[in-house]
Amino acid sequence: SQQGEEDPQALSIQEGENATMNCSYKTSINNLQWYRQNSGRGLVHLILIRSNEREKHSGRLRVTLDTSKKSSSLLITASRAADTASYFCASKPSNDYKLSFGAGTTVTVRA
Amino acid sequence: GAGVSQTPSNKVTEKGKYVELRCDPISGHTALYWYRQSLGQGPEFLIYFQGTGAADDSGLPNDRFFAVRPEGSVSTLKIQRTERGDSAVYLCASSLRAGTDVTNTGELFFGEGSRLTVL
Repeated sequence: SQQGEEDPQALSIQEGENATMNCSYKTSINNLQWYRQNSGRGLVHLILIRSNEREKHSGRLRVTLDTSKKSSSLLITASRAADTASYFCASKPSNDYKLSFGAGTTVTVRA
Repeated sequence: GAGVSQTPSNKVTEKGKYVELRCDPISGHTALYWYRQSLGQGPEFLIYFQGTGAADDSGLPNDRFFAVRPEGSVSTLKIQRTERGDSAVYLCASSLRAGTDVTNTGELFFGEGSRLTVL
């Protein structure tokens, strides 16, 4: 079963705009990761934030983590058409070795 | 290649048939995972191997599903008496090692998946 929820389910934005998606999870975690999946392809790791971190940046990506609310957000700045994909959060529980994925947010960036 | 390789990429079969899906992980990765992804959903855990042994098969939906990794590298997911509800993309992922310690990030490297369609 999936541990997390993501919202929105789908997001459509204009090229150049920012895209923000949110993720909630249920148990205490070691870290939270975000993955990207292009249509018909496998998942690709984007960024990881540890439970003792609150914010992390990587290029145009910004991730926040609020362990008190068991939630995370992913911000993609200055979006491009090539950012069109589904984005999944995955939590790694403190006492487990396997990742639990959310249902994903489908992002469409219009040129 | 350097990545996780899965074959076949597409498999169409008839209800009741037996199928095998193969995964070749990244060389040196001791942990191997199978996930199943239905349309519009995130990946759902099926089974995890550390080396040759199945360390956790709690995600397998029923006894028609079985997976092996006899030499600690290539893994095969086997589905007997397939049903229409088995139709999904089966994803394989590997990682360097697995564990619950804080130094182990659990970052997964995924293959492109095997799309199974049961008619």
